[in-house]
Amino acid sequence: RKEVEQDPGPFNVPEGATVAFNCTYSNSASQSFFWYRQDCRKEPKLLMSVYSSGNEDGRFTAQLNRASQYISLLIRDSKLSDSATYLCVVRSTDSWGKFQFGAGTQVVVTP
Amino acid sequence: NAGVTQTPKFQVLKTGQSMTLQCAQDMNHEYMSWYRQDPGMGLRLIHYSVGAGITDQGEVPNGYNVSRSTTEDFPLRLLSAAPSQTSVYFCASRRQGSYTGELFFGEGSRLTVL
Repeated sequence: RKEVEQDPGPFNVPEGATVAFNCTYSNSASQSFFWYRQDCRKEPKLLMSVYSSGNEDGRFTAQLNRASQYISLLIRDSKLSDSATYLCVVRSTDSWGKFQFGAGTQVVVTP
Repeated sequence: NAGVTQTPKFQVLKTGQSMTLQCAQDMNHEYMSWYRQDPGMGLRLIHYSVGAGITDQGEVPNGYNVSRSTTEDFPLRLLSAAPSQTSVYFCASRRQGSYTGELFFGEGSRLTVL
């Protein structure tokens, strides 16, 4: 079983709509959680960290459910520029924290 | 603002050849790492380093070698290339104690082994 699992999609979303997707992780001792964004054939870039109480960054909302071991990302009022692959990233508890990456969820926003 | 610089961006090798992927960062980050990304799989850690002279293996280290003689540079060596090493390789760095834990990636090196 993969340590971090994501629905690969694609999620086809009309412009202006809301889309949400989850990521599950297997290591209950995981410490930190992130969403990265990766555009086609580009490097991943940090979108946002995920905090225990949930957090928002503009149109993006991230939630963490430690009991069920999943994190979620919700995108409101989707823009064409939101089309990308969203990578779920989980960091382990050792001092330097190895980062475990999910394979990504592809989002395609259509006009 | 160079950040993390990887070279080359593209490379084609024949089976059995060796080569080095270069990675340099100008942010004085202690931590540097190499990942490979294959279709349908998440980025997988090959090797990492927490400072000059200190390296350790990641999830998929076989067939790769690294060294860290300076804070800035972290080259990845393919000892004898195999078709299974066809992949996109990313170098990433971060600062120790970074609150966000953000990894900064290079633009990637696309390697094809024939």
